This record gives sequence, structure tokens and C-alpha cells, in this order.
Amino acid sequence: GAVVSQHPSWVICKSGTSVKIECRSLDFQATTMFWYRQFPKQSLMLMATSNEGSKATYEQGVEKDKFLINHASLTLSTLTVTSAHPEDSSFYICSARADRGRGETQYFGPGTRLLVL
Amino acid sequence: KNQVEQSPQSLIILEGKNCTLQCNYTVSPFSNLRWYKQDTGRGPVSLTIMTFSENTKSNGRYTATLDADTKQSSLHITASQLSDSASYICVVRTGNQFYFGTGTSLTVIP
Repeated sequence: GAVVSQHPSWVICKSGTSVKIECRSLDFQATTMFWYRQFPKQSLMLMATSNEGSKATYEQGVEKDKFLINHASLTLSTLTVTSAHPEDSSFYICSARADRGRGETQYFGPGTRLLVL
Repeated sequence: KNQVEQSPQSLIILEGKNCTLQCNYTVSPFSNLRWYKQDTGRGPVSLTIMTFSENTKSNGRYTATLDADTKQSSLHITASQLSDSASYICVVRTGNQFYFGTGTSLTVIP
């Protein structure tokens, strides 16, 4: 099956620093990638939809200047949490939507756990 | 309002037993419905995907059903194993939007 990787798998940083998370589709091209945030014992919450070559579409309540998304190629999207604060600590998951040949299924990455001290 | 509700919220069963998880949705228009398994600290993994015309789909010990008229889906797990302990998430798609249920946390005990 299709594989989506995320890097890093976990990160601990000081408050005020910026953190970049990479999401890669390893064996397929994804024109659309999604970024989710998940708090403990809660479902995934969509933050933004990332389309290759264009600006990301953010969900209501998600600050685009806080969470910078760059979909640089058909296999790579990055999420940068700028000036991270303890309340940004969460589990960040990306997904990539494969093309019609794979049934337009979303494939999820393994997630990145962010802890801001 | 487009919503996806899952029940029960959590479930504990003995190894080897069967269980059924429920998903009710109000999402419209309906494109498809997926069941995902999410292990703790990991990303979700797709189990099944069902379109409007499909009533039942199996993937090993997992069998999903869909009643598009009543907007209900179920995921039946047969002969549960300890490795089935996870969260199970129902996701309904409409157009290019995906609506996630809150998940059912399943714990299988020996």
C-alpha cells in the first residue's frame, strides 16, 4: 500500500522556537495533502488542506501565520509551527490523497508528537 | 449540519470475542465512508472504504456494513486479538471534505 512518512516523529522544543514537520508520500504523487492535529483521547481535527503549487486552505480558527504550510512538490508538504507555545503541544498528523488510480484514498502519516516546554 | 457520531465511545472485550462498532452520520451528499484503525501514538490506517452502492465489505476479520438509507455504518470485528486494541475512526466524505467521527476506543484483554 501507499506510504506516507513524517519527520521528525517527535520533537521537544523551548517556547518561542519554530518547528518544521515534513510530510512525504513515498511511492505516489499527492496533489493534495492534509494536516491534522489530535489532542489526547480526541479525534483528528483538520487544520488545513495543502495543494501543490498553491496556498494552503486553513480551517476556521487556525492561524495561517502561526502554522505555515508549504507544499513544495507532489511528494512533500511541510508544516512549520512558528513561535511555538506549550498550548501547541499536540500530535500532528498529515495525510496525502492519492490519485484516482488508487481510489482517491487518504493515506495517513505516522504522526509527529510535539512537546513545547 | 454535517456530523459523524460513533458509539460506543469506549469498549473493553475479552480476547477471542466479537464486537460491533457503530457510526451514524448526517453528512450529505455522501461520497464514501471509511473505517480507520489508529494505534496509540500512530497515524490512522485504512481498514475499509465503502461507496453508496456497497452494503458490506470485509478485510480479514473486519467487516463493515453500510446502510445509506438510514445513514448508518458498522464495523464488526471477529475473534478479537490483543492487537485489535486501538481507536477506530469513521470518516465520511462529501466532495472534497472529510468528516471525522470521535472514534471508539477498543481494548481487548486476555
